[in-house]
Amino acid sequence: DIQMTQSPSSLSASVGDRVTITCRASQSTSGYLNWYQQRPGKAPKLLIFTTSRLQSGVPPRFSGTGSGTDFTLTVSSLQPEDFATYYCQQSYRTPYTFGQGTKLEIK
Amino acid sequence: EVEVVDSGGGLLEPGRSLRLSCTASGFTFGDYAMSWFRQAPGKGLEWISFIRSKAYGGTAEYAASVKGRFTISRDDSKSIAYLQMNSLTTEDTALYYCARGGLYDTSGYPFDYWGQGTLVTVSS
Repeated sequence: DIQMTQSPSSLSASVGDRVTITCRASQSTSGYLNWYQQRPGKAPKLLIFTTSRLQSGVPPRFSGTGSGTDFTLTVSSLQPEDFATYYCQQSYRTPYTFGQGTKLEIK
Repeated sequence: EVEVVDSGGGLLEPGRSLRLSCTASGFTFGDYAMSWFRQAPGKGLEWISFIRSKAYGGTAEYAASVKGRFTISRDDSKSIAYLQMNSLTTEDTALYYCARGGLYDTSGYPFDYWGQGTLVTVSS
């Protein structure tokens, strides 16, 4: 199985800050790396797919980069609605696996 | 507008069975792979199964944690995907989500539309 490791597990930041979350895979995912946002009590929402492609309707302050086994999600200027938990997920090979999540909290 | 609605959850005793439903609209259901995930209370997301479109054979894959106990199926005439869950244990207690995969298959595709989740609680 491909293991996904996110860091940090939690992060405190302020509105307007720029934040970066990293995700490392135990082996190459050939760029098939996706990012989801989950607000409390809600279903996951797709933000970024295939490393860097922005899902329709997602604000451009979200961006993704990476290759091989190392990936990042950046939020350029945090808005109040961005405080949530973020998950990376590989869709290269089953079982499709997620990172453990990064909880982004208001400082 | 694409919509996915999960239903069928409930409270049941260990060893019992339950069938979840995932009703979709707003897209040509038969062309897409569909998948199930779960999230135990306070935990992260776990993929458990997907089913390819009939154009790709309608075959399914499962996570090791549910293989042999859970069965995914689809009724394209009704735009519904099902998850039949047998021999449930307390470890299966979770919020179960259905999501749309890619055209025909899931390999390389993200899961772009998710249901709201349906809660399954297994307890004696």
